[in-house]
Amino acid sequence: GNSVTQMEGPVTLSEEAFLTINCTYTATGYPSLFWYVQYPGEGLQLLLKATKADDKGSNKGFEATYRKETTSFHLEKGSVQVSDSAVHFCALRNSGNTPLVFGKGTRLSVIA
Amino acid sequence: GAVVSQHPSRVICKSGTSVKIECRSLDFQATTMFWYRQFPKKSLMLMATSNEGSKATYEQGVEKDKFLINHASLTLSTLTVTSAHPEDSSFYICSAPAGGKRSVTEAFFGQGTRLTVV
Repeated sequence: GNSVTQMEGPVTLSEEAFLTINCTYTATGYPSLFWYVQYPGEGLQLLLKATKADDKGSNKGFEATYRKETTSFHLEKGSVQVSDSAVHFCALRNSGNTPLVFGKGTRLSVIA
Repeated sequence: GAVVSQHPSRVICKSGTSVKIECRSLDFQATTMFWYRQFPKKSLMLMATSNEGSKATYEQGVEKDKFLINHASLTLSTLTVTSAHPEDSSFYICSAPAGGKRSVTEAFFGQGTRLTVV
């Protein structure tokens, strides 16, 4: 079945540091890939997405590239801010009305 | 953009009582609603899938008599935790695919409900 594996946290960085959160997946077919972010006490917000191989999703300085050959979708940001502190979830979804499959989440804390 | 509105955001109830959580799609028709449960510092676990006008499909290990799901209209799905116990305390989140051209890629989430059973 489908599954998502992402690096375990927590990850603590200083402001303006470079961020990488690794994510790999196992799936049948050609899933769409997502990164969601959850701020404390809130629901999930879509951060970025990619729907096919070699697509790059980007938003708020975050980027992730859909790598079919390595089945990966690593999240990167060149310079993190305190406001980026949240739990980040990697997820995939096949076509149709199917539910998202989530990784376990990585808690990111950015300190000033 | 599309919004899924979930209420209440936070609820505290006594053991043995029931709690209803509502999710409404505000500017699109949600024929399907996914209900997730999130344990502290854990990922989201799919509990069930509700489809408008039909019975919900529950994931293995989820008690359908305890977690009652109703999807009576295209804009409203409800989850009722019956006879709640402290172990039911959790963060519950609903999610609806956007449908139409965006059905492959979009899924919108409610704000979540933090349930505490005392």
